[in-house]
Amino acid sequence: AQTVTQSQPEMSVQEAETVTLSCTYDTSENNYYLFWYKQPPSRQMILVIRQEAYKQQNATENRFSVNFQKAAKSFSLKISDSQLGDTAMYFCAFMKWGNQFYFGTGTSLTVIP
Amino acid sequence: GAGVSQSPRYKVAKRGQDVALRCDPISGHVSLFWYQQALGQGPEFLTYFQNEAQLDKSGLPSDRFFAERPEGSVSTLKIQRTQQEDSAVYLCASSLEAQGSNQPQHFGDGTRLSIL
Repeated sequence: AQTVTQSQPEMSVQEAETVTLSCTYDTSENNYYLFWYKQPPSRQMILVIRQEAYKQQNATENRFSVNFQKAAKSFSLKISDSQLGDTAMYFCAFMKWGNQFYFGTGTSLTVIP
Repeated sequence: GAGVSQSPRYKVAKRGQDVALRCDPISGHVSLFWYQQALGQGPEFLTYFQNEAQLDKSGLPSDRFFAERPEGSVSTLKIQRTQQEDSAVYLCASSLEAQGSNQPQHFGDGTRLSIL
């Protein structure tokens, strides 16, 4: 079975600072995908960034980047230059080839002005 | 619209009543997923459709839950004889290709179901 663990239920960061959200997962699969989704108070889940497990290079999307450590089964999200609009729940998700998503329990991030 | 649309946005029902939740995926999207999100938790998988075929229903918690997508577009999640533990947000997501690709899932706003 696959499990996704987010050990930080709540985090806060000052505007313009950098914050890192942690995620670990457990799987016996070798090919899979990892995602970070953002869920603002309005509730719609929005894709932030994705990473293919076979790629060693860490994915980057503007202010968002990941630190993917396959051997350690770790997939952290770094948000640089935090903005007020980044306030949301962040979910780490795992998808193995040919199957559904497994989500973590989420990290509530608050950006403080 | 351009996104995944779910209706109703909110639903209140008395215990024992049947409810039906609707999902309009993005036009042309092959894959459709239903998730249940309890308060303070991440979404949990319920079922998956590839076009009109329900390929995976392993996440449905009981036989009171039923989902269909008869024409490969709109999907309905039906819950019969609702119970208080069914109270949750029900999320629908669609993706362009069949499951197994790295295509991201696009989520709707969800339906918040409250069972009294």
